[in-house]
Amino acid sequence: DAGVIQSPRHEVTEMGQEVTLRCKPISGHDYLFWYRQTMMRGLELLIYFNNNVPIDDSGMPEDRFSAKMPNASFSTLKIQPSEPRDSAVYFCASSFRWEKQFFGPGTRLTVL
Amino acid sequence: SQQGEEDPQALSIQEGENATMNCSYKTSINNLQWYRQNSGRGLVHLILIRSNEREKHSGRLRVTLDTSKKSSSLLITASRAADTASYFCATPGDMRFGAGTRLTVKP
Repeated sequence: DAGVIQSPRHEVTEMGQEVTLRCKPISGHDYLFWYRQTMMRGLELLIYFNNNVPIDDSGMPEDRFSAKMPNASFSTLKIQPSEPRDSAVYFCASSFRWEKQFFGPGTRLTVL
Repeated sequence: SQQGEEDPQALSIQEGENATMNCSYKTSINNLQWYRQNSGRGLVHLILIRSNEREKHSGRLRVTLDTSKKSSSLLITASRAADTASYFCATPGDMRFGAGTRLTVKP
């Protein structure tokens, strides 16, 4: 298995633009997590899905952020409009049940 | 707020020494997991200990769990420079991570 796949690996955009981050979890995993990591705030859980259904989105910072999981093999995290304070590394992770999360390589987002 | 809290926040040791870091959590758990993060990379799962286990080994790693104190410890024996990383604990039902323990192993 190729592991959790995230794209793009790097994204540089200007304030106000829409940003879409993508994630392909490991086949057979029933949980998918989106995290954001910055030096100031550490690793934050944004949202997680169970069997494609969003369970807890309390970590989503504001309405500018949205996440979807249309099927078991794909999820997106969208920021619209983006702001400089959204600059961070965004990680996607998946797991079977609540055990052993596998993390993707992350997407480094820079909003100018 | 997160379930797992690691301490110390930072630890610096010489190669060959042992490193111990601790995790405290708040509610009942089925298992507790430890992860490592090398700079700029995603977290990597190290070891999982279940609530009915008190100690578990994996190579140079030893994890203990005290459910009465709601705490766990991770011991890395005979540390190497390659062990330099941040270490996190996490529990099911609340996969929020604390600030982690930043371990530096000096060659």
